[in-house]
Amino acid sequence: AAGVIQSPRHLIKEKRETATLKCYPIPRHDTVYWYQQGPGQDPQFLISFYEKMQSDKGSIPDRFSAQQFSDYHSELNMSSLELGDSALYFCASSSRTEISSGNTIYFGEGSWLTVV
Amino acid sequence: GENVEQHPSTLSVQEGDSAVIKCTYSDSASNYFPWYKQELGKGPQLIIDIRSNVGEKKDQRIAVTLNKTAKHFSLHITETQPEDSAVYFCAASKPGRRALTFGSGTRLQVQP
Repeated sequence: AAGVIQSPRHLIKEKRETATLKCYPIPRHDTVYWYQQGPGQDPQFLISFYEKMQSDKGSIPDRFSAQQFSDYHSELNMSSLELGDSALYFCASSSRTEISSGNTIYFGEGSWLTVV
Repeated sequence: GENVEQHPSTLSVQEGDSAVIKCTYSDSASNYFPWYKQELGKGPQLIIDIRSNVGEKKDQRIAVTLNKTAKHFSLHITETQPEDSAVYFCAASKPGRRALTFGSGTRLQVQP
């Protein structure tokens, strides 16, 4: 079965640079979530989108923004990168309308961001 | 907001033994409780979930129990195998806020 696809898998940026992560949800999933996971930490919720509209907001810094496009893929834009932004960024998706999935949330393999 | 606490942080068992991981949640409105297994450098993989209208759910060697009154839920793995070694996260979400709040994780090591 198709899974959540994230790109790039690895990214190295310098301080104050900008980075963009992409996420392609499971087909027919209408909700996308972004999480940040630091080393040895649990995933922290950043932001989510349902039908291209922001549906919930977590601990996303003001330097970060995200959107969901008409084809349901999502992008997380991170500007003025700091050393502390180095983490594994996960995208996840779910479907509100597919009863069989029951809004179960599936995660991608993540994008490793290293800020140097 | 929701707060999920998970114990223990590390757990070492012998192959074939059972492993139990426990979580408590703070928001009584939470109604969905998944468990994820995460291997190093990989994304969390859903292994089992339970909803608040169910007290127990089992899938082969894995079972989850939920006590709504006490606001805690547990993961039980029987007949553990070395490939069960990973970090396990519990999580909770509630209607209207579908994003998951995760516990702090349990590193399970199954000794062959």
